[in-house]
Amino acid sequence: SQTIHQWPATLVQPVGSPLSLECTVEGTSNPNLYWYRQAAGRGLQLLFYSVGIGQISSEVPQNLSASRPQDRQFILSSKKLLLSDSGFYLCAWSHTGVGEAFFGQGTRLTVV
Amino acid sequence: KQEVTQIPAALSVPEGENLVLNCSFTDSAIYNLQWFRQDPGKGLTSLLLIQSSQREQTSGRLNASLDKSSGRSTLYIAASQPGDSATYLCAVRQGTNAGKSTFGDGTTLTVKP
Repeated sequence: SQTIHQWPATLVQPVGSPLSLECTVEGTSNPNLYWYRQAAGRGLQLLFYSVGIGQISSEVPQNLSASRPQDRQFILSSKKLLLSDSGFYLCAWSHTGVGEAFFGQGTRLTVV
Repeated sequence: KQEVTQIPAALSVPEGENLVLNCSFTDSAIYNLQWFRQDPGKGLTSLLLIQSSQREQTSGRLNASLDKSSGRSTLYIAASQPGDSATYLCAVRQGTNAGKSTFGDGTTLTVKP
């Protein structure tokens, strides 16, 4: 069966520090991968998606970047965090562009 | 641009009631619609996926319907239990290779014992 791992679960970082959140998927190959951010009490906003290794598409201009160094690994990064980067970040995958989507447990990022 | 709306934003019901959550979307050219459950501070758990060619899907006490032409979906929960308390999100997916989904803001359900 397929599983998705996302870590860390919580993170407190000072303004201006770098960020690296990692997501890995097990039990499947060539998944579509997604990074979402969720504001309090709101739905999810798509940040990045990837349909293959090294292929990253950005949905919104921001202080973040994403990379996919391996087929089942998706990384969300920032060189210098801003207060506005605080939020709940969720990684997701699907078999194809139209398959069922599965989510990780999320990372609560607080920038102080 | 696709917009997804969920009504009501919050709902409180006594245990045992049947209830309906609503999801509407502005662009009917969708490939599928997925309902999720989210517990506080947790990720999303997939409940039901309805393809655009389908009218409904059932899983246990849950039944989701889809009327693509009118841009509506409903999630019916039968005989609600306190353990059903959570936020329920719907997401519509456009038919592209990227598989991008647009989410509603969710309905927060509280089932009182």
